[in-house]
Amino acid sequence: AQSVTQLGSHVSVSEGALVLLRCNYSSSVPPYLFWYVQYPNQGLQLLLKYTTGATLVKGINGFEAEFKKSETSFHLTKPSAHMSDAAEYFCAVKGRGAQKLVFGQGTRLTINP
Amino acid sequence: GAVVSQHPSWVICKSGTSVKIECRSLDFQATTMFWYRQFPKQSLMLMATSNEGSKATYEQGVEKDKFLINHASLTLSTLTVTSAHPEDSSFYICSAPTSGDYNEQFFGPGTRLTVL
Repeated sequence: AQSVTQLGSHVSVSEGALVLLRCNYSSSVPPYLFWYVQYPNQGLQLLLKYTTGATLVKGINGFEAEFKKSETSFHLTKPSAHMSDAAEYFCAVKGRGAQKLVFGQGTRLTINP
Repeated sequence: GAVVSQHPSWVICKSGTSVKIECRSLDFQATTMFWYRQFPKQSLMLMATSNEGSKATYEQGVEKDKFLINHASLTLSTLTVTSAHPEDSSFYICSAPTSGDYNEQFFGPGTRLTVL
């Protein structure tokens, strides 16, 4: 069975600082990997995804993530945080051929002025 | 990208009443849709998989008689919370996958249910 672990339920950074949200997965074969963002009282918006090919994936709003098979990780980064980045972030995994997404527990990102 | 809508966006009801939440895929067809429940400051919990033209598949621990799911068409799934109680108050989110190799899921904006 697949699982996702997000290290740190709450991350706080200063505006302009590097954002690093950690995600590790467990899967017998390389799965599809996703990062979603959720603003208060809203649904989930896809930031980026890894399916195959290049391991460094660029997404919307300046975010990117790197798939590292050897570390079973898919950490999300952004070079310079903006106040509008404050939200809840979810890492998710889906097995190839599977329908269901498995979500991590989420990381709340707070941006300090 | 594909768009999924939910209606209503929020609802307040009295204990004992039933509430229906609609999930629609606006620009694509979805033979499968997913219903999630999200408690405050927690992750999404998959409740059930809605299958067009057949019975929904419920996750372990989810009461199928409590949370009725109907997937009557390729663009519409409904979740009915029957005899709602305050503990059913939550944020309900649906999603629909597109066809293709990795079946990317698109999420609705969610429905906030408050049961008084």
